[in-house]
Amino acid sequence: SQKIEQNSEALNIQEGKTATLTCNYTNYSPAYLQWYRQDPGRGPVFLLLIRENEKEKRKERLKVTFDTTLKQSLFHITASQPADSATYLCALELGLTGGGNKLTFGTGTQLKVEL
Amino acid sequence: DVKVTQSSRYLVKRTGEKVFLECVQDMDHENMFWYRQDPGLGLRLIYFSYDVKMKEKGDIPEGYSVSREKKERFSLILESASTNQTSMYLCASSRFGAVTEAFFGQGTRLTVV
Repeated sequence: SQKIEQNSEALNIQEGKTATLTCNYTNYSPAYLQWYRQDPGRGPVFLLLIRENEKEKRKERLKVTFDTTLKQSLFHITASQPADSATYLCALELGLTGGGNKLTFGTGTQLKVEL
Repeated sequence: DVKVTQSSRYLVKRTGEKVFLECVQDMDHENMFWYRQDPGLGLRLIYFSYDVKMKEKGDIPEGYSVSREKKERFSLILESASTNQTSMYLCASSRFGAVTEAFFGQGTRLTVV
């Protein structure tokens, strides 16, 4: 069955360091992968999208890599700040032959940036 | 500003009640989704719809049904609420056929007692 795995253990890092979060998937051949941020008690908010033919994508302090051979995406936050503390989710979209796009999420990794 | 609005932020219902969770989006999106989120389990897809009156089962449809009579509105129905349906429910929408992000509502915290 299709599976999206993220490290369930919380990641604690010091302010200013680079946070790296991992997303692994099995039995998928996604055309692209998305990353979202979720704060407590709120819905996820889109951050970045990377296509299968893109090895790397950047947006300000965020960087995402996508390795379709390893079936893995890495999400980096450089110069991390306490305001970056949140849960980060990866998502894969499956286009259905009958129509529609099924969007499936990983379990998310909680990041805590300490002073 | 784009918006996905869920009808209730918090809801308490009794076991056996029929429960309706409503979601409205103002972006003319074709795709709409219902997820539930539980600690340690992440977001799990219950149902989604890519057009009016169309629906597809997600990964955990049992005990739920949906209705999409208008493009902007997607309703999740708990036919007979049970305590194991206590959860955070999240609605989302996205454009069909395009490489684009999903927009989420603020969530409904449902407690079944």
